[in-house]
Amino acid sequence: GAVVSQHPSWVICKSGTSVKIECRSLDFQATTMFWYRQFPKQSLMLMATSNEGSKATYEQGVEKDKFLINHASLTLSTLTVTSAHPEDSSFYICSARDLAGYLSSYEQYFGPGTRLTVT
Amino acid sequence: AQSVTQLDSHVSVSEGTPVLLRCNYSSSYSPSLFWYVQHPNKGLQLLLKYTSAATLVKGINGFEAEFKKSETSFHLTKPSAHMSDAAEYFCVVSESSSASKIIFGSGTRLSIRP
Repeated sequence: GAVVSQHPSWVICKSGTSVKIECRSLDFQATTMFWYRQFPKQSLMLMATSNEGSKATYEQGVEKDKFLINHASLTLSTLTVTSAHPEDSSFYICSARDLAGYLSSYEQYFGPGTRLTVT
Repeated sequence: AQSVTQLDSHVSVSEGTPVLLRCNYSSSYSPSLFWYVQHPNKGLQLLLKYTSAATLVKGINGFEAEFKKSETSFHLTKPSAHMSDAAEYFCVVSESSSASKIIFGSGTRLSIRP
């Protein structure tokens, strides 16, 4: 149980184009999903917290107009990198918290990640 | 505020010898603590978690960790390293008092020598 998928697993796009990454909770409902970015040999950096049916909360320094997050249902959140540039190349990882997370261990279930390369 | 410090950026051990990956945390409330492993170009896999139950937590692949409140530590250990243990390990803290974000440590790269 508690499986999170991401699609695509890797994507290459040209500079100036937009890319959408999907994050799905397959066997549970997630009121909250998180988007992380990871540069090579570094830790995960939280970009934003996505709550179903409301606007995402972005961390300081993350451009909300560049990284559009939509959490339209309890099982799906999307991250769209708009007007991508080579410096946006990174490993993007999502996670989801179970609907019962408020009473549990606040464990987050992580997706396998999406490798984005902007040429 | 919460924070987590992984004391070693890189640990190298010989196959068959014990592994110790160190983690110290800071939290205003009762924390939940986790260890995740990440193999190259892969996502995160949960090794084990502490959620205010038993202080000695056993995880997958022979790993275990002990929550020591007096030392604010949650070190990860394994009696005998295997080549497949080579990976990046992250210590993570979450405050149980609020349904908010979690904090990642900077990671420890574990190398295994034949």
